[in-house]
Amino acid sequence: GENVEQHPSTLSVQEGDSAVIKCTYSDSASNYFPWYKQELGKRPQLIIDIRSNVGEKKDQRIAVTLNKTAKHFSLHITETQPEDSAVYFCAASLRANNLFFGTGTRLTVIP
Amino acid sequence: GAVVSQHPSWVICKSGTSVKIECRSLDFQATTMFWYRQFPKQSLMLMATSNEGSKATYEQGVEKDKFLINHASLTLSTLTVTSAHPEDSSFYICSAPRKSQPYNEQFFGPGTRLTVL
Repeated sequence: GENVEQHPSTLSVQEGDSAVIKCTYSDSASNYFPWYKQELGKRPQLIIDIRSNVGEKKDQRIAVTLNKTAKHFSLHITETQPEDSAVYFCAASLRANNLFFGTGTRLTVIP
Repeated sequence: GAVVSQHPSWVICKSGTSVKIECRSLDFQATTMFWYRQFPKQSLMLMATSNEGSKATYEQGVEKDKFLINHASLTLSTLTVTSAHPEDSSFYICSAPRKSQPYNEQFFGPGTRLTVL
């Protein structure tokens, strides 16, 4: 099955700085890579996703890059705000069916 | 967006009892649903794929006789934790993909927190 690794496990940044979270996956057949934000005790919320036919996608302060050859993808958050503080998970799947999640990154944005 | 509900949102039970958790897709039909388990400060781990009208598919290491899954209709999947023990205490989350081409959209339920005493 798919194995997704995520780094770092914790990340602290000053408000206004950028945050980068990286993931690698093992199954070359995976073609859908979503990123989720999860607050304590809540369901994961999709913040951005990328398909395998695209190398980069941006949505306001959030961007994701994908390198299929190297089997890694990254989340970039610019101009971070305190409300960005949460746990972020990457995931990989085939056509957005069963998702295999990374281990999570606890992001803390310091005001 | 589409809505997926779970019931109950939390449950406390005694060791040895069974607990049923429901996952419903409220405004779309889902022939497949997924069940995840999340221990404190850990990631979501896929437990099984629930298939309407057929047997569930379990991930390696998940006991199918302990975690019974029934997908009786196109909008309802249930997960029953049988003979629950304290180590089964966790946050259980379901998801349902809504069909769209070429990729499905996954929608998560709000989760059920199970505490086994």
